[in-house]
Amino acid sequence: DIQMTQSPSSLSASIGDRVTIACRASQSVSTYLSWYQQKPGKAPKLLIYTASNLQSGVPSRFSGSGSGTYFTLTISSVQPEDFATYYCHQSFGTPYTFGQGTKLEMK
Amino acid sequence: QVQLMQSGAEVKNPGASVKVSCKASGYTFNNYGINWVRQAPGQGLEWMGWISTYSGITDYAQKFQGSVTMTRDTSTRTVYLELRSLRSDDTAIYYCARGISETGAFDCWGQGTLVTVPS
Repeated sequence: DIQMTQSPSSLSASIGDRVTIACRASQSVSTYLSWYQQKPGKAPKLLIYTASNLQSGVPSRFSGSGSGTYFTLTISSVQPEDFATYYCHQSFGTPYTFGQGTKLEMK
Repeated sequence: QVQLMQSGAEVKNPGASVKVSCKASGYTFNNYGINWVRQAPGQGLEWMGWISTYSGITDYAQKFQGSVTMTRDTSTRTVYLELRSLRSDDTAIYYCARGISETGAFDCWGQGTLVTVPS
């Protein structure tokens, strides 16, 4: 199975900060990498697909990059509604796997 | 709009079975597979498997082989997840999610179904 490791596990930020979350795969997943946002009590929401493509309706302050085994999710200017947990997800091969999550908290 | 609507919360005794449903609307049902993802309390996301709504072909994570069955009913646009021989560590929220075949991303999720198995 492909292991996905996110860093950091938690992150404190202030409104307006630029934050970056990293995701590393145990083997190449090409660009079959997605990012999701999950708020408490809600289902995950797709933000980024194929590593760098912004899902329709997602604010442009979210961006993704990377290929192979290393990926990043960046929020250019954190807004109040962005405090949530973020997951990376590889769909290169089954079993599909997720990172353990990164919780973005208000500083 | 594209929507996946799941059945309500369940409480089951250890050893019992449960069947969770996921009804699709707002798109051509046969064009997208459905994935099932579970989330134990306070934990991360775990992929359980996938079903082709077109053919009924399934692909289960090895961990769940033999204890889950995914089926679909094209006449009602509904996908089902059956969990057998439930244990307390099966207590989780179970999500269905539409998969985009070209990218592998899950672009629409159900609201989740909480299955509780008391210890």
